[in-house]
Amino acid sequence: SQELEQSPQSLIVQEGKNLTINCTSSKTLYGLYWYKQKYGEGLIFLMMLQKGGEEKSHEKITAKLDEKKQQSSLHITASQPSHAGIYLCGANTSPTSGTYKYIFGTGTRLKVLA
Amino acid sequence: NAGVTQTPKFRILKIGQSMTLQCAQDMNHNYMYWYRQDPGMGLKLIYYSVGAGITDKGEVPNGYNVSRSTTEDFPLRLELAAPSQTSVYFCASSYSGPSGGSPLHFGNGTRLTVT
Repeated sequence: SQELEQSPQSLIVQEGKNLTINCTSSKTLYGLYWYKQKYGEGLIFLMMLQKGGEEKSHEKITAKLDEKKQQSSLHITASQPSHAGIYLCGANTSPTSGTYKYIFGTGTRLKVLA
Repeated sequence: NAGVTQTPKFRILKIGQSMTLQCAQDMNHNYMYWYRQDPGMGLKLIYYSVGAGITDKGEVPNGYNVSRSTTEDFPLRLELAAPSQTSVYFCASSYSGPSGGSPLHFGNGTRLTVT
């Protein structure tokens, strides 16, 4: 089973609609990263969350880490075609220093209809 | 800022051929990683490095080799290419790794087909 579960796997919304993508872990998240990927391109770093209850926004995208630090949500307000792509969450689930491993979800494919 | 630069962007190999995927970063990052991304499977770690001269295996290292002679460069070598190595390969780097709270910065990927 995947260490990080993302839902939904895919999403089609009409332009202007709001949407939410979730990223859930069975372990405590000591760092949670959101990325966006367009077809044929690399992953672009969007935001990083570390503290329980932390919320960050960039333009129309807001990400939040829950108080228990086991789930993060990415919310897009008034979606636009430029928001289309694959959204991927990545995380560190180790509390110890010197760890090397990042874990990733399998991504949420977003399509925005004009 | 160049960030993480990968070459080539696309490559088609015949079974049994070898090639090197190049990766360079100009951010003075200590940690560097190679991932492969297969459809619907997420990112699988091939090899990683925590500094020049130090490399280690990830989850799927078979059929690959790496070296890290400088901080900037982390090439990935494919020996005896097989169809199972058809994938998109991403190089990534971070300053202090996940325990240091550093995000990964990714290159644009290399799309490899082995026929």
